[in-house]
Amino acid sequence: GAGVSQTPSNKVTEKGKYVELRCDPISGHTALYWYRQSLGQGPEFLIYFQGTGAADDSGLPNDRFFAVRPEGSVSTLKIQRTERGDSAVYLCASSASATRRGGGSGANVLTFGAGSRLTVL
Amino acid sequence: AQKITQTQPGMFVQEKEAVTLDCTYDTSDPSYGLFWYKQPSSGEMIFLIYQGSYDQQNATEGRYSLNFQKARKSANLVISASQLGDSAMYFCAMREIIRTGANSKLTFGKGITLSVRP
Repeated sequence: GAGVSQTPSNKVTEKGKYVELRCDPISGHTALYWYRQSLGQGPEFLIYFQGTGAADDSGLPNDRFFAVRPEGSVSTLKIQRTERGDSAVYLCASSASATRRGGGSGANVLTFGAGSRLTVL
Repeated sequence: AQKITQTQPGMFVQEKEAVTLDCTYDTSDPSYGLFWYKQPSSGEMIFLIYQGSYDQQNATEGRYSLNFQKARKSANLVISASQLGDSAMYFCAMREIIRTGANSKLTFGKGITLSVRP
């Protein structure tokens, strides 16, 4: 698609419920990132995929959080047994992979979606 | 570990004037990239400008320029000729290239709120 698409845009759930958030990256982008942003704070890294595999999941706060990207395109962030502290905006971003030549190594820009606002009551 | 510091309180600028938003960083990686993003009230993160640690010149993109002072580990964003639409949160971010890779995560600061007055 033209941009990164995230669904749902808003999700209200009750404490203890299971939630799935979906991200559809820009077509052809092999790298996909999940971030969490609390009110008045900067985005906090959760997990990053290169293709189908999680290249870095060091930001997942605990084992209630899990993400998959089975076909190397769409990704789903899954949160089990939600808690009130999980309330935040969940941002997804994608980028094309860096190549060895040109563009300045490390210059890969993350393009973000509009986010999914999760509220846990 | 990498760290981004943005400590300015809310910033105000008169329309058409220039404004500087401060960012300092800390890393032991000799190769890194610095990014600035804008987040208006709509919530979307918009990429503004990139500076590589080995770039010889300060990056510029239209009205945005980056005042990169490597020895001081600062990467301040300068916005010239401010417009009302520049009112937003601004985030500085960094990627450590050697330690974590050219496609690795960005680490963001807490952001600075900029308000442009008419």
